[in-house]
Amino acid sequence: NAGVMQNPRHLVRRRGQEARLRCSPMKGHSHVYWYRQLPEEGLKFMVYLQKENIIDESGMPKERFSAEFPKEGPSILRIQQVVRGDSAAYFCASSPYPTLETQYFGPGTRLLVL
Amino acid sequence: GENVEQHPSTLSVQEGDSAVIKCTYSDSASNYFPWYKQELGKRPQLIIDIRSNVGEKKDQRIAVTLNKTAKHFSLHITETQPEDSAVYFCAASGAGETSGSRLTFGEGTQLTVNP
Repeated sequence: NAGVMQNPRHLVRRRGQEARLRCSPMKGHSHVYWYRQLPEEGLKFMVYLQKENIIDESGMPKERFSAEFPKEGPSILRIQQVVRGDSAAYFCASSPYPTLETQYFGPGTRLLVL
Repeated sequence: GENVEQHPSTLSVQEGDSAVIKCTYSDSASNYFPWYKQELGKRPQLIIDIRSNVGEKKDQRIAVTLNKTAKHFSLHITETQPEDSAVYFCAASGAGETSGSRLTFGEGTQLTVNP
């Protein structure tokens, strides 16, 4: 039973480019969460999705950031026109049910904006 | 929204000693409290969790206690080993119909176990 998969593991972008981060949840999990971890800081919630629905995006920056979890395929976190402050580790987690359930984390994507 | 505070930010112990990390939360409706261990460059890994209908939970050398009245919970690691060295994060969730799913994390504790 494969765990949460994320790719790419490392991503380098120049300022102004777009970054696309992908997350495949564990088999049987239909709830996906994205968290951002700035260097030497804790994890901050960004967005919670179910298949084809954004349930809670209260942690997402208002501009440049978007997320989706289509009926088929992985969840995508998209960052447009990246800036240096976007450099961070982006972790995806999944769970089988929404509340009171363990969230299992993927290995993360480390984004570096030059 | 929920706010989680974690102390201490760094903790250094001798091998074999116990380590205690404490967290407080603000939203009394929170009812799920996991602890994650994160080694450098790795993913957060769940080590233990507790739900609000339980006051204490133990798994070998690791235990968690929860005091809902005071809104705090603690991680206890006994007989520490060098491989316990990592950053430990507490988290809280469960308050609110949609926001209840998200985890609110503390800022982390860097635990160093000296041989």
